[in-house]
Amino acid sequence: EAQVTQNPRYLITVTGKKLTVTCSQNMNHEYMSWYRQDPGLGLRQIYYSMNVEVTDKGDVPEGYKVSRKEKRNFPLILESPSPNQTSLYFCASSLNRDSPLHFGNGTRLTVT
Amino acid sequence: AQSVTQLDSQVPVFEEAPVELRCNYSSSVSVYLFWYVQYPNQGLQLLLKYLSGSTLVKGINGFEAEFNKSQTSFHLRKPSVHISDTAEYFCAVGYYGGYQKVTFGTGTKLQVIP
Repeated sequence: EAQVTQNPRYLITVTGKKLTVTCSQNMNHEYMSWYRQDPGLGLRQIYYSMNVEVTDKGDVPEGYKVSRKEKRNFPLILESPSPNQTSLYFCASSLNRDSPLHFGNGTRLTVT
Repeated sequence: AQSVTQLDSQVPVFEEAPVELRCNYSSSVSVYLFWYVQYPNQGLQLLLKYLSGSTLVKGINGFEAEFNKSQTSFHLRKPSVHISDTAEYFCAVGYYGGYQKVTFGTGTKLQVIP
């Protein structure tokens, strides 16, 4: 089954403790992206990747890192999480630039 | 600057009534457009897309949308809603030229009342 898999689904952590949210897709998609969803703000893009070893900032990249060492994986790294990063995070992938995005089921992160 | 506006944050509608969810965008370049639906505790799923061609686009679950270039709109419609349509709906606009950039609206929560 074609899918984008994110882990974990729920994560509670404390300020400053490094964490990684994993994302993997099995559709051989070139493009991958991370979004955060906050009430009243919709989805905002954090980082995106056009291909392996090619990543770039989205609209809200501060406090986040990504890497794309393999085509299928695109982890999101929070080196020193802060409470304002409490949010619902989505990973997405697409075949090419104007193809629809396929979304994971989300990761709900709480930073205390 | 490109932007996407969904004017209604919440839309209550009675079951079997028609509904229209509004989406307007601003852009200086050609665009492509999507509507996504998000059910509780799930990711977003594609409802329909417009890349080019016919301005009336039909999607899944009986939804359709019309691209209006002069009014920079892409409103979503359904002639008769069901309880199962209760969800949040997001309009998204992609911009040709340069890297792929898709901007999402803030979402409209559709509440279908029995």
